[in-house]
Amino acid sequence: DVKVTQSSRYLVKRTGEKVFLECVQDMDHENMFWYRQDPGLGLRLIYFSYDVKMKEKGDIPEGYSVSREKKERFSLILESASTNQTSMYLCASTLRGTGGWEQYFGPGTRLTVT
Amino acid sequence: DAKTTQPNSMESNEEEPVHLPCNHSTISGTDYIHWYRQLPSQGPEYVIHGLTSNVNNRMASLAIAEDRKSSTLILHRATLRDAAVYYCILRDPLYVDNAGNMLTFGGGTRLMVKP
Repeated sequence: DVKVTQSSRYLVKRTGEKVFLECVQDMDHENMFWYRQDPGLGLRLIYFSYDVKMKEKGDIPEGYSVSREKKERFSLILESASTNQTSMYLCASTLRGTGGWEQYFGPGTRLTVT
Repeated sequence: DAKTTQPNSMESNEEEPVHLPCNHSTISGTDYIHWYRQLPSQGPEYVIHGLTSNVNNRMASLAIAEDRKSSTLILHRATLRDAAVYYCILRDPLYVDNAGNMLTFGGGTRLMVKP
């Protein structure tokens, strides 16, 4: 069974803390994505990566950074957490190119910044 | 990206068929129609996709209008586990590069299934 796993389902952090969200996929997919999901706004892409050490900004990269040191792992970093980053964070992966019909999502991490 | 329009919510009775509509009047000739769904407290999951012909898989059927300006996701017998938000998304594989694999999710349709 294909799997995308995320390090935590629920996380509570304080304003100003550095936060790491980890995502691991076991499907040997080239592309990996970080989205955030907020009520009424759908999913918004933060960053994506199409290969190890490669990254591209999505629609809302401000306040975030990413790291992809290994093909199976894609980390999202909140350098200094703020309350407006309270959200559901979803990681996804897919094959590159036209083979990537299905995008596989992790279960999500609900982050609360107080 | 071409835009899709879906009703905010729909209700169905258990074990009855459900037809979830999606309008995409600005669809281009090379856009594929994808459906994903998101169960409560879970990430989205792929349901089905198609281009012109109707498609069937173990989860659902996809009926595409002849002019491709609309489509309908059909759940043949709704169960309580089908209660979810269903998203209709257009994606053009001709523009699929590394960035093209991203998906743009709108508001979707919240399906409620009554026992």
